[in-house]
Amino acid sequence: RKEVEQDPGPFNVPEGATVAFNCTYSNSASQSFFWYRQDCRKEPKLLMSVYSSGNEDGRFTAQLNRASQYISLLIRDSKLSDSATYLCVVLGDSGTYKYIFGTGTRLKVLA
Amino acid sequence: SAVISQKPSRDICQRGTSLTIQCQVDSQVTMMFWYRQQPGQSLTLIATANQGSEATYESGFVIDKFPISRPNLTFSTLTVSNMSPEDSSIYLCSVSRDEGSYEQYFGPGTRLTVT
Repeated sequence: RKEVEQDPGPFNVPEGATVAFNCTYSNSASQSFFWYRQDCRKEPKLLMSVYSSGNEDGRFTAQLNRASQYISLLIRDSKLSDSATYLCVVLGDSGTYKYIFGTGTRLKVLA
Repeated sequence: SAVISQKPSRDICQRGTSLTIQCQVDSQVTMMFWYRQQPGQSLTLIATANQGSEATYESGFVIDKFPISRPNLTFSTLTVSNMSPEDSSIYLCSVSRDEGSYEQYFGPGTRLTVT
């Protein structure tokens, strides 16, 4: 089993739709989780940190379910500019800065 | 976040040669890291660049192949040595401030092609 797993997609959704991505992780001791956005041929940019049960930032909501070991990202009212690859990141062992990346989920928002 | 630059932004190199990639941050940071992103794949951590001491390498990466320097809190280099086509990849540095958030910010990357 991979340490961090994501559905690679692509998810093709119309503008204005709500879309959700899931990410599962294998290390039950992991404490910190992140969602990054990566545009084609660009570096990953931090979208949200997920430290407790979840958090919200505008149209974006991240949730954490420790019992089931998954993190989700919900995007409401999708915009064309939301088209990108969304990377789920799990912090490795406690006290380290080691990032473990999922393979990413591609989102394409269609006009 | 921090402003991070990398040089070169891209290069095409012949097999057997070496390339040194520079990473510069606009402010002092505690942690600096080097990642590799192979075509169509996600990021893999190569090593943590430690200021004033040897880098800490992840499994599968060795110092002889990827020597790293970090002379101060704003600068680091990664060298890809004795390159082969399998080293063709994007190499990214990232930084984190030791404020307990564990958030990392990435440089723009160096796109390396080995022929």
